[in-house]
Amino acid sequence: DVKVTQSSRYLVKRTGEKVFLECVQDMDHENMFWYRQDPGLGLRLIYFSYDVKMKEKGDIPEGYSVSREKKERFSLILESASTNQTSMYLCASSRAIRAGNTIYFGEGSWLTVV
Amino acid sequence: ILNVEQSPQSLHVQEGDSTNFTCSFPSSNFYALHWYRWETAKSPEALFVMTLNGDEKKKGRISATLNTKEGYSYLYIKGSQPEDSATYLCAFPISSGSARQLTFGSGTQLTVLP
Repeated sequence: DVKVTQSSRYLVKRTGEKVFLECVQDMDHENMFWYRQDPGLGLRLIYFSYDVKMKEKGDIPEGYSVSREKKERFSLILESASTNQTSMYLCASSRAIRAGNTIYFGEGSWLTVV
Repeated sequence: ILNVEQSPQSLHVQEGDSTNFTCSFPSSNFYALHWYRWETAKSPEALFVMTLNGDEKKKGRISATLNTKEGYSYLYIKGSQPEDSATYLCAFPISSGSARQLTFGSGTQLTVLP
């Protein structure tokens, strides 16, 4: 079975802190994604990566950066956390998005910024 | 930002009722349409990937149809059960830089009452 593991399920951070959310996948997938889930807004893409060291901005990249130094690991970085970044963050991975390929999600990381 | 719209936003049905909901997407440059089910406290999981106009997919009591010319897909659940309670998400691949990513609708939250 494909496994996408998010290292932290629940975090509480202070405003201005630097926050790292880590994600690891075990299926040698080319693509990795970071989404944010907020009530009534659905899943919004923050960043994705289609190869090591390659990244593309999603719909809401402001305030975030990412790092993909190894194929299996994709990190989301909040350089200076703010209260409006309190949310649930989902990591996902997939093969190249061709017809028939689905994406696989982690269990989510709940971040509270106080 | 590409608009993928789902309706209704939420739905309550009685156990045994059949139900359906809609995903609307841009009909130009169609590539594929994904459906995912997201149960509380779990990761979203793929239900269907649909690629051809007129496609109909079925998984147990859940089925989906696709109309690429008018830009909509329907998800049907026959004889709803409490375990069908979940948020149902549709997603549309779009090209972004050098790769494709998935844009999600905001979901339909289904509650099946015993």
